[in-house]
Amino acid sequence: QQQVKQSPQSLIVQKGGISIINCAYENTAFDYFPWYQQFPGKGPALLIAIRPDVSEKKEGRFTISFNKSAKQFSLHIMDSQPGDSATYFCAASNGNNDMRFGAGTRLTVKP
Amino acid sequence: EAGVVQSPRYKIIEKKQPVAFWCNPISGHNTLYWYLQNLGQGPELLIRYENEEAVDDSQLPKDRFSAERLKGVDSTLKIQPAELGDSAVYLCASSLAPGPYEQYFGPGTRLTVT
Repeated sequence: QQQVKQSPQSLIVQKGGISIINCAYENTAFDYFPWYQQFPGKGPALLIAIRPDVSEKKEGRFTISFNKSAKQFSLHIMDSQPGDSATYFCAASNGNNDMRFGAGTRLTVKP
Repeated sequence: EAGVVQSPRYKIIEKKQPVAFWCNPISGHNTLYWYLQNLGQGPELLIRYENEEAVDDSQLPKDRFSAERLKGVDSTLKIQPAELGDSAVYLCASSLAPGPYEQYFGPGTRLTVT
C-alpha cells in the first residue's frame, strides 16, 4: 500500500537550475513531512521537514511547499549544484513516527 | 557524536542460510527502527522499538524474521532461512523518542542471497 506517491522517478538539471520534486499523500493523519537525501552507500539523512500548520519552509537553497487541501508537498532546490546529485525521498508520518517513504527521485545535476 | 552503527556492511549468503544484522543506535535514543530498502525504492518499516519493547512489528515477516533489542540499546535483526527475495539493504535508524523527531539512519547492510 503506497501511502506516499513521489514524482518524478529521475530528474536531470543543469547546474544553477531549479530542481522540483513532488509528493502526494493519502492519510490525513500524517502531520510531519520530511525530505531525506541519500548518497550511494549511505543511509538517508534528513534535509528539511515541515509541519502542516505552515505552507512553506525554507532552509538555504532548499524549500518545502505544502498544500494541505490538496494533500501535496514539494521540494525545491534552488541554484542546483553537482554536489546535490543524490536520491531524494519524501516521507510522511503520524504522531507515533510511523514513517512512510516515497519511492525516491534520483537527481543528477550536470555541470 | 557517533552516528548509528551497523554491521556488517555487506553480506553474501546462500539461500536457506541464516543471517544476522547488528545495530548500535545513537546514545540516548530510545526509539529504534529497522527498515528494508529494495533497489530503487524508499525504506519500508519492518519493526519499531520503544526501549526494549517492539511496538510496531506488523510488517515483519515473522515466519522467517526475528528481532531483539536487549537492554534497550543494541538491536539484532535475524533472517532464518534467507530467501532470494530477501536481497536488499537493511537500514537501522534511531530517534530520541516517538513523534515528529528526526530519524538518524545508519549506512545499512547490503544483503545478497544467492
